[in-house]
Amino acid sequence: QVQLKESGPGLVQPSQTLSLTCTVSGFSLTSYNVHWVRQPPGKGLEWMGVIWSGGNTDYNSALKPRLSISRDTSKSQVFLTMNSLQTEDTGIYYCNRNLGYWGQGTLVTVSS
Amino acid sequence: DIVMTQAPLSVSVTPGESASISCRSSKSLLHSNGITYVYWYLQKPGKSPQLLIYRMSNLASGVPDRFSGSGSETDFTLKISRVEAEDVGIYYCGQLLENPYTFGAGTKLELK
Repeated sequence: QVQLKESGPGLVQPSQTLSLTCTVSGFSLTSYNVHWVRQPPGKGLEWMGVIWSGGNTDYNSALKPRLSISRDTSKSQVFLTMNSLQTEDTGIYYCNRNLGYWGQGTLVTVSS
Repeated sequence: DIVMTQAPLSVSVTPGESASISCRSSKSLLHSNGITYVYWYLQKPGKSPQLLIYRMSNLASGVPDRFSGSGSETDFTLKISRVEAEDVGIYYCGQLLENPYTFGAGTKLELK
């Protein structure tokens, strides 16, 4: 059974760094791509980036200067790191497999 | 970036009747491999998005065949036949042709 679950701090201070973990089961990270998508409260979906099955990454150019995606295949985990957070980065962050199977999402609030 | 424009922004449907949602892309989503990279998602209230249709007209696993997708290179339609209470939520189209992947603003489906 394919599952993805996001975890991380619910609250981040402005200008600080966000670190999220996506723990997957039911498939191998070396066979499937994992994307990150976020959703501001009450708004639409924004694609952030992807780590391909081969380990390469691609990012939304709007976020690229601040964003990094990596993984630990032995632990079946994908990591998202984004620095210089601002209030507009508040939202639900989702990881998903090939934009098909989605995790439940984790709410990140940027506030002092 | 490719802009995805959905219409209408909201639709109210009597259970048992059909509904159609339109999506237009600012650029052709037809790849040279013959595949059209438009996807449809449903986000039920308080839930993660779920994949309905991939590559314009392919039904995702577990999705009722009341859902269907069609279109051309830039104009796409999601049709829901015999709308049921469980179909309530926000429908998004998305393009997975090129970076950054982008989504429409969403269409909210409600029951009359």
